[in-house]
Amino acid sequence: EPEVTQTPSHQVTQMGQEVILRCVPISNHLYFYWYRQILGQKVEFLVSFYNNEISEKSEIFDDQFSVERPDGSNFTLKIRSTKLEDSAMYFCACAAGRGNQPQHFGDGTRLSIL
Amino acid sequence: GDSVTQMEGPVTLSEEAFLTINCTYTATGYPSLFWYVQYPGEGLQLLLKATKADDKGSNKGFEATYRKETTSFHLEKGSVQVSDSAVYFCALDSGGSNYKLTFGKGTLLTVNP
Repeated sequence: EPEVTQTPSHQVTQMGQEVILRCVPISNHLYFYWYRQILGQKVEFLVSFYNNEISEKSEIFDDQFSVERPDGSNFTLKIRSTKLEDSAMYFCACAAGRGNQPQHFGDGTRLSIL
Repeated sequence: GDSVTQMEGPVTLSEEAFLTINCTYTATGYPSLFWYVQYPGEGLQLLLKATKADDKGSNKGFEATYRKETTSFHLEKGSVQVSDSAVYFCALDSGGSNYKLTFGKGTLLTVNP
C-alpha cells in the first residue's frame, strides 16, 4: 500500500532557528495537509494545500510558518524562527480527493525545541 | 465551530473483553466521521469511516455507527486482542472546500493478556 513518508523522524533544534520538515505524499494525491500534536493534547489542523496554494490555515499557522511543494513530489513545512511551544509531533497527510476520500498520514516528525 | 469529544482514557481491558469508546461531535452541516488508530511509534491510520447518518463503518472487527440523532459515533469491538493496544482518535470533516479533520483528544487502550 502506498505510504506517506516524513523526514526526519526526530528533529532537535535550538530556539530561534529555522527548521524544515519534509513529506513525500502518495504520488497521485492532490490535497495536502499538516497537523500537529503537542504532547498529551489533541491533533490540530495547521494548513491545507491544493493546486500549489494554501487553501485554508488555522490560527496556529502564523507568519512564522510556511509550506511549499518545491518539486512536485516533496511537501515541506518551514518554521522560520522556532519557539519552545513549537515542540510537538508534526503529521503530514494527503488525500486523492475530497469528501469520501480519506486522508492518509505519515508517521510524523517529532520536533523538540531547546 | 466543529468539535469532537471522546471518552477520557486510559482504558485497560483484558484480552477478549468488549470495547466501547464513546465519541460525540458538534458540527455544522453533515460531516463525515472517522476513527483513526495510532500504534506505538507510528502515524495515524484510518480504521473506519462513515459518511452519512445510519452508516456503519467496520474494519478488523471494529464497528461504529453514525447516529445523527445523538450526534455520536461510538467505537466498539466484541473481543479485543493485545495487538489492539493503541491510541484511538475520533475525527470529523464537515466538508467545505478543504475537508480538514477535527480530532478528539484520543483514547489510550491497553489490552492485557
